[in-house]
Amino acid sequence: EDQVTQSPEALRLQEGESSSLNCSYTVSGLRGLFWYRQDPGKGPEFLFTLYSAGEEKEKERLKATLTKKESFLHITAPKPEDSATYLCAVQRGDYGQNFVFGPGTRLSVLP
Amino acid sequence: EAQVTQNPRYLITVTGKKLTVTCSQNMNHEYMSWYRQDPGLGLRQIYYSMNVEVTDKGDVPEGYKVSRKEKRNFPLILESPSPNQTSLYFCASSAGDTTTEAFFGQGTRLTVV
Repeated sequence: EDQVTQSPEALRLQEGESSSLNCSYTVSGLRGLFWYRQDPGKGPEFLFTLYSAGEEKEKERLKATLTKKESFLHITAPKPEDSATYLCAVQRGDYGQNFVFGPGTRLSVLP
Repeated sequence: EAQVTQNPRYLITVTGKKLTVTCSQNMNHEYMSWYRQDPGLGLRQIYYSMNVEVTDKGDVPEGYKVSRKEKRNFPLILESPSPNQTSLYFCASSAGDTTTEAFFGQGTRLTVV
């Protein structure tokens, strides 16, 4: 069964305290792995797409990496505005738009 | 402004009363999807559409219907809502298979009593 898990479920950091979020997946026919950010009361907002093991992408204080079984979202020197739920999703199948999402990691960055 | 618009934002209804949640996108995207989001379960795909008149089931399609008669619209229909369909619903669209960044609507919070 295709599955995406994320850890930790919740993470509380002090401003400037770097850390990593994990996304582990078991899926047949992986086409891509996606990271989204979701603020309370809003829809998810796209961050990154990773397609192959070894790939890395960066955006401001965020860096996403991908291996054959997991992805990490590294947050360097976070700020309070980075507080959100971070969702991981895998795209599967022979054609696009078939996604499995993880439950998310709720990140709180304290000033 | 590029956006996905869902209506209504909030809806309280009674068991068995048919309802439709509308979704419209102004980006000329081919792909559109519906998700439900429940605590601890994350986002689960209900249905998706790859183009006009082309739809397919996601992971949790039971109790839902969709239609794609126009490229910009993708309504979600609950013919006979039940309390277990109480959830937060999101519509999403994306340009195509190789550029699959999805744009999400602002969500519809549905309560079925």
